[in-house]
Amino acid sequence: GAGVSQSPRYKVAKRGQDVALRCDPISGHVSLFWYQQALGQGPEFLTYFQNEAQLDKSGLPSDRFFAERPEGSVSTLKIQRTQQEDSAVYLCASSLVPGQGATETQYFGPGTRLLVL
Amino acid sequence: GQNIDQPTEMTATEGAIVQINCTYQTSGFNGLFWYQQHAGEAPTFLSYNVLDGLEEKGRFSSFLSRSKGYSYLLLKELQMKDSASYLCATTSGNNRLAFGKGNQVVVIP
Repeated sequence: GAGVSQSPRYKVAKRGQDVALRCDPISGHVSLFWYQQALGQGPEFLTYFQNEAQLDKSGLPSDRFFAERPEGSVSTLKIQRTQQEDSAVYLCASSLVPGQGATETQYFGPGTRLLVL
Repeated sequence: GQNIDQPTEMTATEGAIVQINCTYQTSGFNGLFWYQQHAGEAPTFLSYNVLDGLEEKGRFSSFLSRSKGYSYLLLKELQMKDSASYLCATTSGNNRLAFGKGNQVVVIP
């Protein structure tokens, strides 16, 4: 079946612009995650949804970052008034069920590469 | 919190064996994942360990020692397509993954 998809794949924004990044998780996956990956680094956790509920947003770097998943499927990560330090790859991942063990395995999308000029 | 350490880069010859190490310190531990990431692509799941010992899956094996906070990924019979970054990540039951910086493996002919 289809994996996690993200759009756009690439986004160039001028400093101060707002951007919206979309994630389509694997069908039926309850959990959805957003990560930020800077060049040469591992992904850093941003936020987590279980169905439509945002259960953890402790990784969001500032109040300019906002995520939603209103119907428990597609999610959007919005960044307001983008800054140069927001330039990174934004990865979305989904997993089948929350809980413990191998069911936690997260499957990643290809990411959106954001460049803020 | 989570603190995960991986060496940054290694080069190996096609057909060889390479071992990628990962040490971690966590306030809670509920398993360790290995992912492979080719440049510009999504991380792809390789293995999951929660109990001590070796898990073998084809050319890839992963080992875990919980008491030492240590894991390694063993890649056998290296192929050119194995050139990628290898990420280890721990989970502490709060659903998020905490990743290391990744280890870049370069396979040469």
